[in-house]
Amino acid sequence: DAKTTQPPSMDCAEGRAANLPCNHSTISGNEYVYWYRQIHSQGPQYIIHGLKNNETNEMASLIITEDRKSSTLILPHATLRDTAVYYCIVRVHNYGQNFVFGPGTRLSVLP
Amino acid sequence: DTEVTQTPKHLVMGMTNKKSLKCEQHMGHRAMYWYKQKAKKPPELMFVYSYEKLSINESVPSRFSPECPNSSLLNLHLHALQPEDSALYLCASSPEQVPNYGYTFGSGTRLTVV
Repeated sequence: DAKTTQPPSMDCAEGRAANLPCNHSTISGNEYVYWYRQIHSQGPQYIIHGLKNNETNEMASLIITEDRKSSTLILPHATLRDTAVYYCIVRVHNYGQNFVFGPGTRLSVLP
Repeated sequence: DTEVTQTPKHLVMGMTNKKSLKCEQHMGHRAMYWYKQKAKKPPELMFVYSYEKLSINESVPSRFSPECPNSSLLNLHLHALQPEDSALYLCASSPEQVPNYGYTFGSGTRLTVV
């Protein structure tokens, strides 16, 4: 699986959009980009995933560049409850391929 | 029911004790997972069960023994653990071991070995 690079930490003001970048420059054509987050003392929570088109759900939007070498997770109106570690994972869509978590980005939403 | 339930939430055990962690889901998911997470580190995969059969063991020491008695239940039996095994143990499930689906994680069992 391709490796990902994320900034170790970011701050965001409450009510503003939080844009979390992820670099995956060695991603291959059959690898999807997944995002999870982990709020303190809880298990990771699935947020969104995509292949090459931009995706949106009730939690977030995922923007993947045309060359697929990077992506951005957007939380449109961050709240204090969005303070968490956010993990970007790339993964092949084959049976037996499991999620391998990197260090992630610690997002602090500030009042 | 859209949850993965793990019990107990906290566990303190001695190095000579035998204990078990329990994980339960009633979403009809056929793949279940154990992860271990040390403080300030990302989760690390330990075991994968697919259709109640062990499909992946990530070279985990034998003092950790997983068991999947049925499609809803996953146990992790612990014996002769070391203090460095203290961690958050996370259980997860997915409809199948097919990557199109995100995992549903439980809140974990925080284990302290004394």
